[in-house]
Order: sequence, then C-alpha cells, then structure tokens
Amino acid sequence: GAVVSQHPSWVICKSGTSVKIECRSLDFQATTMFWYRQFPKQSLMLMATSNEGSKATYEQGVEKDKFLINHASLTLSTLTVTSAHPEDSSFYICSAPTSGGQSADTQYFGPGTRLTVL
Amino acid sequence: GENVEQHPSTLSVQEGDSAVIKCTYSDSASNYFPWYKQELGKRPQLIIDIRSNVGEKKDQRIAVTLNKTAKHFSLHITETQPEDSAVYFCAASIGGYSTLTFGKGTMLLVSP
Repeated sequence: GAVVSQHPSWVICKSGTSVKIECRSLDFQATTMFWYRQFPKQSLMLMATSNEGSKATYEQGVEKDKFLINHASLTLSTLTVTSAHPEDSSFYICSAPTSGGQSADTQYFGPGTRLTVL
Repeated sequence: GENVEQHPSTLSVQEGDSAVIKCTYSDSASNYFPWYKQELGKRPQLIIDIRSNVGEKKDQRIAVTLNKTAKHFSLHITETQPEDSAVYFCAASIGGYSTLTFGKGTMLLVSP
C-alpha cells in the first residue's frame, strides 16, 4: 500500500508555544490531504482538508487561525497548532488519498503525532 | 451531512469465533465504504473496502457486505485470532472529493 509519513511522532510543548506537524506522501502525489484529531477512546474527527495550491477547507467548529494548514507541494502538508493550550493535547493524524487527485477514496493514514501541551 | 452509526461499541469473542460489526449510514448518495483497524497508539489501517456497485467482498478471513436499500454495511471476521484485537472503524463517503465520515469505532477483544 501507499506510504504516508508524519513528523514528529510525538511532541511535548509549553502552553502558548506553536507546534508544526508535517505530513508527507512518500511514494505518490497528493493534491489533497486530510487532518484529523483523535482524543483517547474516540473516533477520528476531521479537522480540515488541505489543498495543494489553495486554501484549506476547515470543518465547522475548527478555528482556522489556530490550526494553520499549508500544502506546500504535492507531497507535503503541514499543520501548525498556534498558541497551544492543554486542551489541544491530542493525537493528530493526517491522511492522503492515493488516486492522484481523482477521488478522496482509499485514504492512507500517517502514523500520527501525539501532542502534549503542558 | 452524512451520519454513520456503528455497533457494537465493544465486542468480546473467543479465539476461533466469528465477529460481526455493523454500520448504518444516512446519505443514500454514499458509495464508498472502507473499514479501518487501529491498534493502540497506531495509525488506522485499511483492511477492506467496498463500493456500492457490489454487495459483498471477501479477503481471506475478512468480508464486508453492503445493503444499499437498508443503508447498512457489515464487517465479518471469521476464525478470529488474538492479533485481531483492535478498534475497528467503518466509514462512508460519496466519492469524488467528499470526505470520509467515520463511525465511533468498535473495540474487538479476542480472548485465547
């Protein structure tokens, strides 16, 4: 299957700092990537759709100024959590469809980033 | 928008038994239904998917069935093994660039 990487795998930061998470598609191009947040023992909640060359689309209730998304190339999307607070502590996972821009089907997930804000 | 309900939330079986997880969806336009397996602290992994032009798909011990009329689909795991223990998520999308809507997950525990 397709490979999606994420970096870092975990990060601990102080309240008020910003954290950048990278998501890369290693063996395919992705004009679209998705960012999810997962709290313990809960399902995956879509935060935003990252679009290469245009603005991200945010789900209702997700603050676009707090969760900055940049889709810099066909293989890289970044999520920056600005002014992080303890309630932002969560497991952040990205995914990418392998269809080369034809469909959002068949998404492959990155390994996730565990963010802990002290 | 799409709403996906998943049952049960937890499922305990003995090794060798079968396990069935059921999902219903609300949007009749949905046409793609993947199942993901997630082990603790790891990424969700696609284990099987089905599109609305077929009613059943099988891959070794795993099968998925789809009833478009009733708007429900199910995951069947036969001859369960302890390594099948994980959280399983169903999802639905209407294809194209629509997003996946996930169910709340089922924690499957297979006891030796």
